[in-house]
Formats: sequence, structure tokens, C-alpha cells
Amino acid sequence: AQSVTQLDSHVSVSEGTPVLLRCNYSSSYSPSLFWYVQHPNKGLQLLLKYTSAATLVKGINGFEAEFKKSETSFHLTKPSAHMSDAAEYFCVVSADGGATNKLIFGTGTLLAVQP
Amino acid sequence: DARVTQTPRDKVTEMGQEVTMRCQPILGHNTVFWYRQTMKQGLELLAYFRNRAPLDDSGMPKDRFSAEMPDATLATLKIQPSEPRDSAVYFCASGLVSTGGSGELFFGEGSRLTVL
Repeated sequence: AQSVTQLDSHVSVSEGTPVLLRCNYSSSYSPSLFWYVQHPNKGLQLLLKYTSAATLVKGINGFEAEFKKSETSFHLTKPSAHMSDAAEYFCVVSADGGATNKLIFGTGTLLAVQP
Repeated sequence: DARVTQTPRDKVTEMGQEVTMRCQPILGHNTVFWYRQTMKQGLELLAYFRNRAPLDDSGMPKDRFSAEMPDATLATLKIQPSEPRDSAVYFCASGLVSTGGSGELFFGEGSRLTVL
């Protein structure tokens, strides 16, 4: 069965410093992996996706994630945090490799950005 | 800019009343999902449809919740009767299942339900 584990429920960084949000996955086959972001009182927005092409995936707003099969990880990074990055971030795996769009969500990481 | 549209954005109602939430998926998408988000449970999958047919509604309380897709441009989630424990944000999402597709979903902004 597919699952994702987000290792930190809260992360706090200073503006201008790097961001690292950690995610490990479990999948019985080559996974489709995503990061979604949710700003307060908003819906979930796709940041980036991995679908077995390049292992380093670039997304919107300067975020990127690296798929590491040996470590079963898909960590999200950004070189320099901006105040507008404060939000909740969800690591997500496709339940069935994209066959139905059914997604399995992690528990979320709340990112705070201090001025 | 294609987007998933949900109505109402906010709804306050009294226990026992019927609540209907509506969703217009992105044109051309063939899957629709309903999720519920609470602080305690996070995101829970309630039901999903493919080509308007319900594939799985095992996440819904069957006695009070119902989900339908009368046509390709409208999905509804109904609660009757509503209870305070139904208070949550309900999200609709749509996607396109295709050969080689990645399986991503596009979310609406949600309907915030408060049952007093």
C-alpha cells in the first residue's frame, strides 16, 4: 500500500534562509509524488509533481524536490524563504500510480516564516 | 484560467437542516473528488466519481451524506440532517485520468460548513 510520512508537523525559518520540508514515502511500485500547498482559508494548490522522469523536480514559486529512491524520500526545498511562503504543505502520493487520481495525503507541515 | 468552483464558500446552519454543497469541475476533467478537512482528522476522502459514475463513497457516513453528479458540469454533496460534528471545510477536486497521466488533482477553494 502507498503512504507518505511528513517528518515535521511544524517548521519555522527566517525570511531569506533555506527551507527544507521532509517527506518519506512507501510504495509498492514506481510512485507518482506531489507537493501541495494550502494558504489560510484557501484550497490546495499543486506545487510540483514527480512522475518518474527527472529526479529533481522544479515547481512554482522557487520550490523544488528531489526524488531519492534509495532513501524513499521526496523532500521539498527552497533556497530562500519569503514571507508569502508561510502556509501548510502536504506531501502526497498517488494511490495507484495515477490510474484514478486517488491521492493519499500526508499529515501536513506548517511552515512559519519569521521576518 | 480553468478552476474548480465551489458554492457556497461559507454556510452556517442549525442542526437538523439539510445542506447542499455544489462543485463545478474543470471542463474536460473526468474525475471528481470530495474531501473533508478538519483540524482533528486532516483531509479525509469522502467520495469520488469517474465519468460521473460513483467509484467509491466508503468514506461517507451513508445515513446522512449523499453525493451525485447530475451532469458533467455539476457535482453535489448533500447532508441531511446535518449535525455539529459535520462542521468542517469540504473540498471538491477534479482531475483527468489518461494513459500515462500523473494523477494530479485540482482543488476548489472549499465550502466552510458550520452546524450549530
